[in-house]
Amino acid sequence: QVQLQESGPGLVKPSQTLSLTCTVSGDSIDSGTYYWSWIRQPAGKGLEWIGRIYSSGSANYNPSLKSRVTISVDTSKNQFSLKLTSVTAADTAVYYCARVSRTWDFDSWGRGTLVTVSS
Amino acid sequence: QAGLTQPPSVSEDLRQTATLTCTGNSDNVGNQGAAWLQQHQGHPPKLLSYRNNNRPSGISERFSASRSGNTASLTITELQPEDEADFYCSAWDNSLSAWVFGGGTKLTVL
Repeated sequence: QVQLQESGPGLVKPSQTLSLTCTVSGDSIDSGTYYWSWIRQPAGKGLEWIGRIYSSGSANYNPSLKSRVTISVDTSKNQFSLKLTSVTAADTAVYYCARVSRTWDFDSWGRGTLVTVSS
Repeated sequence: QAGLTQPPSVSEDLRQTATLTCTGNSDNVGNQGAAWLQQHQGHPPKLLSYRNNNRPSGISERFSASRSGNTASLTITELQPEDEADFYCSAWDNSLSAWVFGGGTKLTVL
């Protein structure tokens, strides 16, 4: 059974870059079967899709975040990563990594990691 | 960014049936259907129903999804206390080339 685990700093200063990594176990990113995605959720609010990446490195992003987001993959470590630049308090949220099934559904999720943007 | 529309809250009695709705448009729900996710407080979302309305392995038959036009529905029968949670719908939007989510519905079992 696949497991995903987010890791990275829990506190980021305004205007700096948020960096998170998702480590996948129980499945190989390199299999090319799935997409891998980042989703966030501000406290008490709904879910927002950030972007997705394929094992080849091909990525797609939410148009509303596209100018600030980069998602990359390291198949040798079975990890994919998120970078979000020029963060503000509005970027404070729980960040989840998730697997996208063949039916294009989010079928497995990490436990999430809280990132707070504050000086 | 346009999202999907869900009622903020639904309340229903124990052992009764609740129906949650999710309204989009022809670029998302109407085109490719919507998936349903359940999120208990402090936990990550869990997939309840694929966009094709099938249930993942291990999901109770009490949860069933359907779609009519641009509106998707999730019906939960024989409500149990553990069904209390937030429910989200999600869909791929062809015009945005992005996934969109509903704002979530908080289900209360009375």
